[in-house]
Amino acid sequence: GAVVSQHPSWVICKSGTSVKIECRSLDFQATTMFWYRQFPKQSLMLMATSNEGSKATYEQGVEKDKFLINHASLTLSTLTVTSAHPEDSSFYICSAFTYQETQYFGPGTRLLVL
Amino acid sequence: AQSVTQLGSHVSVSEGALVLLRCNYSSSVPPYLFWYVQYPNQGLQLLLKYTSAATLVKGINGFEAEFKKSETSFHLTKPSAHMSDAAEYFCAVLQGGKLIFGQGTELSVKP
Repeated sequence: GAVVSQHPSWVICKSGTSVKIECRSLDFQATTMFWYRQFPKQSLMLMATSNEGSKATYEQGVEKDKFLINHASLTLSTLTVTSAHPEDSSFYICSAFTYQETQYFGPGTRLLVL
Repeated sequence: AQSVTQLGSHVSVSEGALVLLRCNYSSSVPPYLFWYVQYPNQGLQLLLKYTSAATLVKGINGFEAEFKKSETSFHLTKPSAHMSDAAEYFCAVLQGGKLIFGQGTELSVKP
């Protein structure tokens, strides 16, 4: 199956700093990637759709200036949490969409903002 | 808009027993349906998918699911549970290129 990686797997930062999370499709090209947020014991919440070479599409209620998404190549999308605050602490998961109508997910990044 | 409902937020079975995780969808058109599994502190792993071919879909780790249009269901089963099956399971439907997830079902397996 298709493999998606995320880096870092976990990060701790101070309030007010920015954090960048990378999502890579390792063995296939993905014109579309997705970013999700997951709270403990809850389902995934779609934050935004990342399209290679164009602006990301954000879901309602997601602050685009806070969660910057860049899809610079067919294998890499990045999510930057700007001026992070404790309420941004969460588990962030990316996925990449293949031509087989299937999304493959990365292993997730746990963010803790102190 | 399409939606997915997973009946039962928590299911507990004994090792070796049948696993049945329920998923119902709402869709006016033939859906693309998926089951994913999530182990603690990990991403989601695709178990199986239905894309309007065979109604009985076989996946990894011995799981299978049957698409029943009359019941708008896509329940996940496994004949014999293993301790390693303990995880969170998500049913999802594809809508407009996006996955719509159910709330998830936590499966516990007792020795």
